[in-house]
Amino acid sequence: DAGVIQSPRHEVTEMGQEVTLRCKPISGHDYLFWYRQTMMRGLELLIYFNNNVPIDDSGMPEDRFSAKMPNASFSTLKIQPSEPRDSAVYFCASRTGLAGGNTDTQYFGPGTRLTVL
Amino acid sequence: DQQVKQNSPSLSVQEGRISILNCDYTNSMFDYFLWYKKYPAEGPTFLISISSIKDKNEDGRFTVFLNKSAKHLSLHIVPSQPGDSAVYFCAASAWTDKLIFGTGTRLQVFP
Repeated sequence: DAGVIQSPRHEVTEMGQEVTLRCKPISGHDYLFWYRQTMMRGLELLIYFNNNVPIDDSGMPEDRFSAKMPNASFSTLKIQPSEPRDSAVYFCASRTGLAGGNTDTQYFGPGTRLTVL
Repeated sequence: DQQVKQNSPSLSVQEGRISILNCDYTNSMFDYFLWYKKYPAEGPTFLISISSIKDKNEDGRFTVFLNKSAKHLSLHIVPSQPGDSAVYFCAASAWTDKLIFGTGTRLQVFP
């Protein structure tokens, strides 16, 4: 398996522009997670989906952030409008629900480094 | 409010010696704890985990210790190798699908 795929790997944009980050989870995984990594806060969970349904979006910082999962093999995280403080590395992760509860391993993609000027 | 804290942003250890990475948590409902390792320009990868019903879990050179009364978790790497140089994230969950991560500790193993 190719693992979790994210695109683009790097994105540089200007303040006010719309940014769309993309993720393809590992085939067969029921859960998909979006994280943001910053120096100050480490890895923060933004939102996660189970069977394509958003379960918890309490980590989404503002209404400027939105996420969708139209099917089991694709998810997007959109920021509109983007601001310099959104600059961070955004990770997508997926896992199965086979073990039940919270013990299945999350597999992370390589991340998208976003720079908002 | 950081529920999972890694108070040491960096650690430097000589090759062959023991590396000890520490993690503190505040939520007594956490029942599962994990360590992830991250190399530059890559996503975090799972390293080792421990359930709250145990106080130790070992996997090769890596051992995780859990002290529930102190709400403290530690990762021991023995012996440390240059390839262990990475950022290590502690994470915890509380009967949910969510993982709460710390801010990470950068480990450097020098010859």
